[in-house]
Order: sequence, then structure tokens, then C-alpha cells
Amino acid sequence: NAGVTQTPKFQVLKTGQSMTLQCAQDMNHEYMSWYRQDPGMGLRLIHYSVGAGITDQGEVPNGYNVSRSTTEDFPLRLLSAAPSQTSVYFCASRNRGVNYGYTFGSGTRLTVV
Amino acid sequence: DAKTTQPPSMDCAEGRAANLPCNHSTISGNEYVYWYRQIHSQGPQYIIHGLKNNETNEMASLIITEDRKSSTLILPHATLRDTAVYYCIVSPTGANNLFFGTGTRLTVIP
Repeated sequence: NAGVTQTPKFQVLKTGQSMTLQCAQDMNHEYMSWYRQDPGMGLRLIHYSVGAGITDQGEVPNGYNVSRSTTEDFPLRLLSAAPSQTSVYFCASRNRGVNYGYTFGSGTRLTVV
Repeated sequence: DAKTTQPPSMDCAEGRAANLPCNHSTISGNEYVYWYRQIHSQGPQYIIHGLKNNETNEMASLIITEDRKSSTLILPHATLRDTAVYYCIVSPTGANNLFFGTGTRLTVIP
């Protein structure tokens, strides 16, 4: 199993550009989430999904959209990039139920100039 | 979700047990204690979790006090590869949001 795969690993955007961060998991996990991590800080939840076709907002959703058309994929879209969105983005997934921890991807480092 | 308090940093000698404390005095009855770690700039890694009983797996042991207001993560024989930031998180059953604080930076010293 590849686990949780995030692409790209690095990206530089100009202010106002849009892009999609990709996240795919091959573990048939129902729950998937997107977090961002700013320097020296913990992770903050952007959006999450409890299954295909179901998404909801987390702590810091503004400026981001998500969709979940399949169990495997959970892309994160930046609508109009801003310097404040410069961060490291992590995707995570887990099985339903309390006895499972999240599996995280290796992250996408995004710089908005 | 209940707030957790962890020391910002700790050192541990290689081969010794690393005991990482966490206070969660406002924990609710349905909230689990989860531990994750983040090595350098990698994605966080799940370690262990528990509700009220002590738990052990191949990575670590989790000791939760009887009143559940604090817990300790134990790495029995720390190695250099255990150098990381360790996060203690309390979260209700089935919750989808993990509130990561700033964690404890553990440095394993040769």
C-alpha cells in the first residue's frame, strides 16, 4: 500500500492564481481531512469528509474548496491564492470507528508570492 | 474539545525511557487521549490512544491517571530516530477534528 499520497510536494504560486492540491489514499478509508501547518504552529483543520459525496468545513475553511467524488481522492482547491495561504498542507485519512488513528501524507509546501 | 498542556521541550538519553507528560484536566467522559508525533517536517504519525485504561503497542505505552486528568506517553528505549515533536490530543469519540497544539519537542541525545 502506498498510504496517503500528496502531489505536488512543492509549489510556488502568484497571488490570485488558483490550483488544486491532490490527495489520494489506497486504504479504503472513509474519513479524509486537510490540515495546514504554519511555521512553529500546530496543524489546523481546513475541510474534512466522512465519505464519498460528504464534506464539511473545519477550523479554517475560507479560501479553500473540496469535493469527494470517490473514496480514494480528496482534492483541495485554492480559489485565488493569497500570501496568507503560504503553508504546509497535509492530507490525512482513517477508517471509521474510534480505534483508528489518522494516516498522514508527506505534505505539500506551498508558497504564494 | 478539552485543552492539553505539554512541556515545550525535553531531552532524553539514547537507550533510556522517554516519559512525556500531558495534562488534560478538563477532559470529558467521551474524550479519548491520542498521541501523534511529527519527525522534522514530515506528516504526523499516529502513535497510540486510550480512553481510561493503560495501553501498549509496538511503539509506546500510554498511562492515563485514574481521574483521567493527565497522561504519560512512554517510549521504553528511546533512539535517535525518536527525536520529534510529540502531540497529545484529546478528542471525542469519532471526532474528525484533531486540535494540534504546539506539542513537546523531544530530543534524544547520543
